[in-house]
Amino acid sequence: RKEVEQDPGPFNVPEGATVAFNCTYSNSASQSFFWYRQDCRKEPKLLMSVYSSGNEDGRFTAQLNRASQYISLLIRDSKLSDSATYLCVVKRDDKIIFGKGTRLHILP
Amino acid sequence: DGGITQSPKYLFRKEGQNVTLSCEQNLNHDAMYWYRQDPGQGLRLIYYSQIVNDFQKGDIAEGYSVSREKKESFPLTVTSAQKNPTAFYLCASSILDRYGYTFGSGTRLTVV
Repeated sequence: RKEVEQDPGPFNVPEGATVAFNCTYSNSASQSFFWYRQDCRKEPKLLMSVYSSGNEDGRFTAQLNRASQYISLLIRDSKLSDSATYLCVVKRDDKIIFGKGTRLHILP
Repeated sequence: DGGITQSPKYLFRKEGQNVTLSCEQNLNHDAMYWYRQDPGQGLRLIYYSQIVNDFQKGDIAEGYSVSREKKESFPLTVTSAQKNPTAFYLCASSILDRYGYTFGSGTRLTVV
């Protein structure tokens, strides 16, 4: 079983809709969690950290469920510019593991 | 402005040649990393360095070499021993013990 798993998608979502996707992790000792965004043929950029209590940044909400070992990202009122690949990142000790990403296409 | 610079953006290599990818940062970050990304795949760690003159192998170090002679610089050499080097290479840096990855814009290496 891979340490970090994501649904590769693509998720095709109409503009203005709400979309959510999850990422599961296998090691319960994982300490920190993040969502990165990667545009086509570009480098990943930090979207947001994920805190135990959940956190929100504008239209984006991240949640952590330690009991079930997953994190989630919810995007409200999706924009065309949200089209990208979203990478789940998990940190354990000094090791950082990237998921393969979930592709999101926002349709006009 | 502080940042991390990778060069070149595109690189073509003939089979059997060694090539070196440059990575320079002026963020005063302690740690630097090299990742490889293949189409539809996640990032895989090649090498990382937490202090000058020291570095550790990542998950896929075979066929690669690095040096860390200066805090600002962490070049990656793709040797002829790397059998499938065509990929997107990303360099990153962070403050030691604090997560805050900054990525360079990447180098696309193609073997011709």
